[in-house]
Order: sequence, then structure tokens, then C-alpha cells
Amino acid sequence: GENVEQHPSTLSVQEGDSAVIKCTYSDSASNYFPWYKQELGKGPQLIIDIRSNVGEKKDQRIAVTLNKTAKHFSLHITETQPEDSAVYFCAASKGNAGKSTFGDGTTLTVKP
Amino acid sequence: NAGVTQTPKFRVLKTGQSMTLLCAQDMNHEYMYWYRQDPGMGLRLIHYSVGEGTTAKGEVPDGYNVSRLKKQNFLLGLESAAPSQTSVYFCASSYSQGGEKLFFGSGTQLSVL
Repeated sequence: GENVEQHPSTLSVQEGDSAVIKCTYSDSASNYFPWYKQELGKGPQLIIDIRSNVGEKKDQRIAVTLNKTAKHFSLHITETQPEDSAVYFCAASKGNAGKSTFGDGTTLTVKP
Repeated sequence: NAGVTQTPKFRVLKTGQSMTLLCAQDMNHEYMYWYRQDPGMGLRLIHYSVGEGTTAKGEVPDGYNVSRLKKQNFLLGLESAAPSQTSVYFCASSYSQGGEKLFFGSGTQLSVL
């Protein structure tokens, strides 16, 4: 089955700096790659996603890039703010009845 | 708009007891899922449903059963709880195939003593 690896497991940055989280996947048939943000005590919430026919997608301060050849995708957060502190999960899906495989998560801490 | 609602939010069980977790969504989504979240292990799929009356096994189905009698509800049952089932359980739903845009509930913290 699909295997998704996520790095780093923890990331600490100063407010205003950029943060980058990387994921690799194993199944070349995967075609949908979402990123979820989980705040303390809450369920994960989709923040951005990308499909395999797109190389990059941006939404204000966050962007995701995809390299299908290398089978890796990354989340970029610019001008980080304390409210960006959370656990971030990447995931990969092949489109078969919604079975997304998740990475183990990255705990991002933004220091004021 | 409530989205995905899970009950209860917290529960403590003794080994061997049974319980049912309820998930309800008001978005008319076809697909519903149960995940468990353990420290450092991300989210693992337990069971899922592609429509009313259907269920299927996910990555870690052993020790759990599910039912989808109504489109808006997805129940997760533990027949004989074990300490290894101590976890945070999340229900999610989506409106299209491919696990796209999962909408999660706020979770149920379950402890099995």
C-alpha cells in the first residue's frame, strides 16, 4: 500500500520566518495531495491541496509544490505568525473511495 | 451549519467493556470515515463507508465494527475494549471520491484501563 513519510517531526521558527515541511510518497498512482492543520483539541482542517497535474499552488502565505518524478511534495509557509503554531499533516490519495494515507505530522511552533 | 459532530468527546472504559461512538454530518456527504490518532503515528484509517448501507475495512480494522444505517450517521463500535484501543478517534466525511477534502469532527478521547 501507500506509504507517506513526513519531515521534520518538529519545527521551531521565529515569527516572520518561513517554514517548510516535506513529504514523500511511494505509490506513483497517487494523484491528490492535501495538507491539514490541526490545532490543539480540534480535528484536522484542510488548508491547501494539490493534484498531480499541477506543480505548484499558492494561497496567500501558504504554498504547496509537487514533484511527481521524485514523488515528493512540500508545504511552504511564509511570514509565519504565532497562530500558525499547530500540527500539520500531509496526505496522499489515489482516488479509490477516499482512502487517504497520512504522514505522521509536524509540530510547528512559531516563537513571537 | 454544524458540519461533523462526534459524541461523546471523552470516555473512559474498563478492559472488556463495549461502547459505540456516534458520528453525524449535515453536509449530505456520501463518504464517511473513522480514523484513530496515536502520538507520532498520524491518522490511521479504521473503517469507511461509500454510502448508506455500505462499509469497508481500512488499515487497522481489527477490534472495531461499524454501521451506516442512515446517510448522515456513521457508528463505530468496540465490542470488547482493550488498552491498545486507547486513542483519539476522528470521524470525517467527504463529498466526492478520492478522499478529497475531508471534513473532520473534533474527536473523541478514549481511554481503556
